[in-house]
Amino acid sequence: DVQMTQSPATLSASVGDRVTIICRVSQSIDNLLAWYQQKPGRPPKLLIYKASSLESGVPSRFSGSGSGTEFTLTITSLQPDDFATYYCQQYHGYPYTFGQGTKLEVK
Amino acid sequence: EMQLVESGGGLVQPGGSLRLSCIASGFIFSDSEMNWVRQAPGKGLEWLSHISRSRSSIYYADSVKGRFTVSRDNAKKSLYLQMDNLRPEDTALYFCVREAGLGDDALDIWGQGTMVIVSS
Repeated sequence: DVQMTQSPATLSASVGDRVTIICRVSQSIDNLLAWYQQKPGRPPKLLIYKASSLESGVPSRFSGSGSGTEFTLTITSLQPDDFATYYCQQYHGYPYTFGQGTKLEVK
Repeated sequence: EMQLVESGGGLVQPGGSLRLSCIASGFIFSDSEMNWVRQAPGKGLEWLSHISRSRSSIYYADSVKGRFTVSRDNAKKSLYLQMDNLRPEDTALYFCVREAGLGDDALDIWGQGTMVIVSS
């Protein structure tokens, strides 16, 4: 199975900050990686697919990069609505696997 | 509006069974590959199962293989998860999820989830 290592587990930041979350993968998955945002009591929401493609309706301050085994999610100019938990997920092969999650909290 | 609505969750004793259902609306269900994903209380996301449009390809996580069975009825726009021999560690919120398709398999539509509690 493809193992996902997401870091950091918790990230403290302020409105206006630029933050980066890293997802490392145990084997090459080309660009078949997605990023999701989840708020308490809500299902996850797709932000980024194919490592760097922005899902329709997602603000342009979200961006993804990487290929192979290392990927990043960057949020520029954090907004109050962005404080949530973020997950990476590979869909290169089954079983699909998720990162452990990064909780983005207010500093 | 594209929507998935799960039902069928509840409290069940260890060793018991439950059948979860998910009804789709706002998109062509028969054209969509579907999955189940769960989230234990306070924990991360765990992918459980995939079923292809025609039911020809089915995959399971090792944690549920042999106990859970995924199925679908395209005429009823419905996805199912039969869960047998339930364990306390199966306690979680279960999400029905669509793959985006059109050459990409990211999980683009999620239901609100249905809660399963396995406890005596």
